[in-house]
Amino acid sequence: DTAVSQTPKYLVTQMGNDKSIKCEQNLGHDTMYWYKQDSKKFLKIMFSYNNKELIINETVPNRFSPKSPDKAHLNLHINSLELGDSAVYFCASSQERDSLYEQYFGPGTRLTVT
Amino acid sequence: GNSVTQMEGPVTLSEEAFLTINCTYTATGYPSLFWYVQYPGEGLQLLLKATKADDKGSNKGFEATYRKETTSFHLEKGSVQVSDSAVYFCALSDYNDYKLSFGAGTTVTVRA
Repeated sequence: DTAVSQTPKYLVTQMGNDKSIKCEQNLGHDTMYWYKQDSKKFLKIMFSYNNKELIINETVPNRFSPKSPDKAHLNLHINSLELGDSAVYFCASSQERDSLYEQYFGPGTRLTVT
Repeated sequence: GNSVTQMEGPVTLSEEAFLTINCTYTATGYPSLFWYVQYPGEGLQLLLKATKADDKGSNKGFEATYRKETTSFHLEKGSVQVSDSAVYFCALSDYNDYKLSFGAGTTVTVRA
């Protein structure tokens, strides 16, 4: 009955590799988000999709590419991983674009790049 | 642009102590204000919210009042428990900006 789920929960990989994180929500929400949380707990939005359309694209390296196959899924693909990409990545969703404040978060994916 | 400033932690308290976490904001429009909580190893959960001036949000014994004149939304709880140990985030949303802006988070540890 998980509302927002992410896989994997932990991801350890080497520099230069390409990896993906998957997110699914079963709440029927229209909008999904990716956030990055650094080691100091600072949380920053990366991307947002509304009905499969990209609506927020913050200053994020081109190595990060979101993909939304349908409005229940928002995946994050990262190319050529770097040490600085190590962080916890959170997926979130909300009912519709104008109610974005009521966001439901997934449990996070802890990415460690060695 | 929009921004949120909250008091730095970590904050360590004894059970039944009074907790206050200060939060002030800067916004170009008329924002809605929120407190989110992140328990260890989990994602963020909405704790409470206020959408207009003088509104008071409350949940689980926590309260915060939207003060437009001081651009503040301080979080308070009268008697904390060990289970309140978490990271607390103040946030705002502004329809002009279409996103949530978070403060840096305040880590709270409550000791028995």
